[in-house]
Amino acid sequence: GAGVSQSPSNKVTEKGKDVELRCDPISGHTALYWYRQSLGQGLEFLIYFQGNSAPDKSGLPSDRFSAERTGGSVSTLTIQRTQQEDSAVYLCASSLRQSSGNTIYFGEGSWLTVV
Amino acid sequence: QQPVQSPQAVILREGEDAVINCSSSKALYSVHWYRQKHGEAPVFLMILLKGGEQKGHEKISASFNEKKQQSSLYLTASQLSYSGTYFCGTRISNFGNEKLTFGTGTRLTIIP
Repeated sequence: GAGVSQSPSNKVTEKGKDVELRCDPISGHTALYWYRQSLGQGLEFLIYFQGNSAPDKSGLPSDRFSAERTGGSVSTLTIQRTQQEDSAVYLCASSLRQSSGNTIYFGEGSWLTVV
Repeated sequence: QQPVQSPQAVILREGEDAVINCSSSKALYSVHWYRQKHGEAPVFLMILLKGGEQKGHEKISASFNEKKQQSSLYLTASQLSYSGTYFCGTRISNFGNEKLTFGTGTRLTIIP
């Protein structure tokens, strides 16, 4: 597709279950970000992948959160033993390469509700 | 390291002007402005790179003051379509794997 694609668009899960969120970046984009946005809040950085470099995981809130990026393209964000405070929109974004002059493009997000 | 935006929220009548500020405690290399409408993904508006340049996009423009490490977004003769939450994202370096960090946002409401 032309834009960043995320799935599922909505997910309701029970507390304690694991969830996986998927992101397909724009073709050719080597940089990929995950952000979290709680209701009415700002964009909280989670993790950043750039090419083959080690990812910047400094924003992951706990060891229940992990992410991987296979083949330099698709990324999966995994949340283990979900808690109610994990409820948020998880936004993925990609850009052409790591450079201050490059725009990052966001997907529509995955809305996660933990009940 | 998160930039600070002000004001947090503003309500304007159609046709009025607004200024949204973004400040950092660290030296900035670039500032990126985005607008997000309710329930939608953030949409890119413009990038300002180190050098104090000013950019414009229709009736929306921005400036970057290196000395103050501050960027301002100017919306003139606001239209109803300008409503949304505006975020600034900042990078402190052009080297290495430097992430884009966003401010807490400014909610702009335009009323007829």
